[in-house]
Amino acid sequence: EPEVTQTPSHQVTQMGQEVILRCVPISNHLYFYWYRQILGQKVEFLVSFYNNEISEKSEIFDDQFSVERPDGSNFTLKIRSTKLEDSAMYFCASSDTQETQYFGPGTRLLVL
Amino acid sequence: KQEVTQIPAALSVPEGENLVLNCSFTDSAIYNLQWFRQDPGKGLTSLLLIQSSQREQTSGRLNASLDKSSGRSTLYIAASQPGDSATYLCAVRTASGGSYIPTFGRGTSLIVHP
Repeated sequence: EPEVTQTPSHQVTQMGQEVILRCVPISNHLYFYWYRQILGQKVEFLVSFYNNEISEKSEIFDDQFSVERPDGSNFTLKIRSTKLEDSAMYFCASSDTQETQYFGPGTRLLVL
Repeated sequence: KQEVTQIPAALSVPEGENLVLNCSFTDSAIYNLQWFRQDPGKGLTSLLLIQSSQREQTSGRLNASLDKSSGRSTLYIAASQPGDSATYLCAVRTASGGSYIPTFGRGTSLIVHP
């Protein structure tokens, strides 16, 4: 069964460094999403992406964040200058319509 | 702003019991509501999706209902099994000004013991 994959599974970085989180959505899906979940907190929407552009973003998704679909398979989330409060689990999701979303296993980001 | 609340926060039951998990939301102008399960340290697995025009959805031992007017959804799990142990999340997509950003609840942590 097709699934969303994410790399790396864990990332440790120093405050102020740039990180890129990678996702490979399900191949025939057209809508892509990033979410985050701070330890012990709710899952929070960051951004949705369709037709090579951002369709929606939350207040969390400020200028430090960017997304890109550099080729036909990858979907990336870049954090330009990480802060301690960016430590969280980051989930990628994809869907073929704006309906059921399929989530990846997540990348656990720790900013020191 | 949509607020989603899930009750109870945690539940521990013996195997075989029928369970009801609750999700309430403050803005009834929803587009759809989705139930997920999340296993420790893992991603989310979609269980059921209910459109705003629907009253319920069923999949195997799971049944989800939606009452928009009262701002509530319930997830019913029949004949619970230890493998059902996980955190169950409710996510509401609100149809507001062309925005469909989902809002999640904190989840119900379920333990089913043999």
